[in-house]
Amino acid sequence: DAGITQSPRHKVTETGTPVTLRCHQTENHRYMYWYRQDPGHGLRLIHYSYGVKDTDKGEVSDGYSVSRSKTEDFLLTLESATSSQTSVYFCATGTESNSPLHFGNGTRLTVT
Amino acid sequence: QKEVEQDPGPLSVPEGAIVSLNCTYSNSAFQYFMWYRQYSRKGPELLMYTYSSGNKEDGRFTAQVDKSSKYISLFIRDSQPSDSATYLCAMSAGGGTSYGKLTFGQGTILTVHP
Repeated sequence: DAGITQSPRHKVTETGTPVTLRCHQTENHRYMYWYRQDPGHGLRLIHYSYGVKDTDKGEVSDGYSVSRSKTEDFLLTLESATSSQTSVYFCATGTESNSPLHFGNGTRLTVT
Repeated sequence: QKEVEQDPGPLSVPEGAIVSLNCTYSNSAFQYFMWYRQYSRKGPELLMYTYSSGNKEDGRFTAQVDKSSKYISLFIRDSQPSDSATYLCAMSAGGGTSYGKLTFGQGTILTVHP
């Protein structure tokens, strides 16, 4: 798993509360990504980072923000959680722009 | 219509069978093609990685890419119960502005029964 740790592994939260998910990598990979996985949709890109403080939006970025202040950490924040954000969230890293990605084991988030 | 289409299955085969998994895509800019395997409650792990058209073999696994037909396949020979998982195809356009962003199929659930 390329030294990728996601925390927490499971979280239950209430609608309207802010939530932050953390991805920590020990491989010094430049590129980091947040995906969500939902039945019938596969994995969809939320946000990605191509360097410290360099981030951009993916396919399904509404309601999410990210920050990357250090190479090893990439944070995903749900500003005001909604039930539609109940999902499994995966962090991934890559060494080069065209290298395959390595994934963490996910965070299972339930918004009630 | 999704950029990448993958039959979700489920697919159930006996041990020892040859398995064929497929994806079609619509974006002709895709150049890099991957297959990931995902076990229950785990993250996807890379199985095969190919660039452009052609075949690539690794043990019991063979990946094929046909860019003219916008079609990729993964073959598993002598399938084992340990191959039971969800298989995800993924692809990217490459190039300096792609930043490694992958587009995934929705995954095919495979069960190999003894």
